[in-house]
Amino acid sequence: NAGVMQNPRHLVRRRGQEARLRCSPMKGHSHVYWYRQLPEEGLKFMVYLQKENIIDESGMPKERFSAEFPKEGPSILRIQQVVRGDSAAYFCASSPRAGGQSSYNEQFFGPGTRLTVL
Amino acid sequence: AQTVTQSQPEMSVQEAETVTLSCTYDTSENNYYLFWYKQPPSRQMILVIRQEAYKQQNATENRFSVNFQKAAKSFSLKISDSQLGDTAMYFCAFNGGSQGNLIFGKGTKLSVKP
Repeated sequence: NAGVMQNPRHLVRRRGQEARLRCSPMKGHSHVYWYRQLPEEGLKFMVYLQKENIIDESGMPKERFSAEFPKEGPSILRIQQVVRGDSAAYFCASSPRAGGQSSYNEQFFGPGTRLTVL
Repeated sequence: AQTVTQSQPEMSVQEAETVTLSCTYDTSENNYYLFWYKQPPSRQMILVIRQEAYKQQNATENRFSVNFQKAAKSFSLKISDSQLGDTAMYFCAFNGGSQGNLIFGKGTKLSVKP
């Protein structure tokens, strides 16, 4: 059973371009979390999706960022008109069960995509 | 706000020695889960150990154990018989989000010296 896959592993964009990050969850997992890790920082939650639904996007900037998890295919985190401050490592984690307050749903992390904005 | 604090940005330990990494957190919840993740230079996030808040017994996984003090909201990680492969960033986390998302500390960079 393959683990969580993310691609590309490294992405370089110039300011103003678009960045698309892809995450394929583990087989049988229909829940995906996206996290961002700025240099010298811990991971910060961005968005939680189930198939075809955004459940919680409270950690995602309101502008330029969007996420989707279609019925078929990987989850996509899209950043429009990237700026230097978007340079970070972006991780996705998948889970077999729905998340909930104080409940345990083990999250399996992908290797991350390192985005560099020139 | 729910927060996780790791007060040791960097630590070092000699190979085969024992080291303890500190973590405190803040939550008003009574039931939650706590985790320690390891992030080696490859950047892959690896779950080291987890603790259920309703369990009084401290979790243990081989050379890794925790000291969980619920009243003090403290969750330290002890690594015994340190190995060179333990060199990594270590993140403390708990699932404090309303949808089970993890809240992470800033991490402790551990170096194991030969």
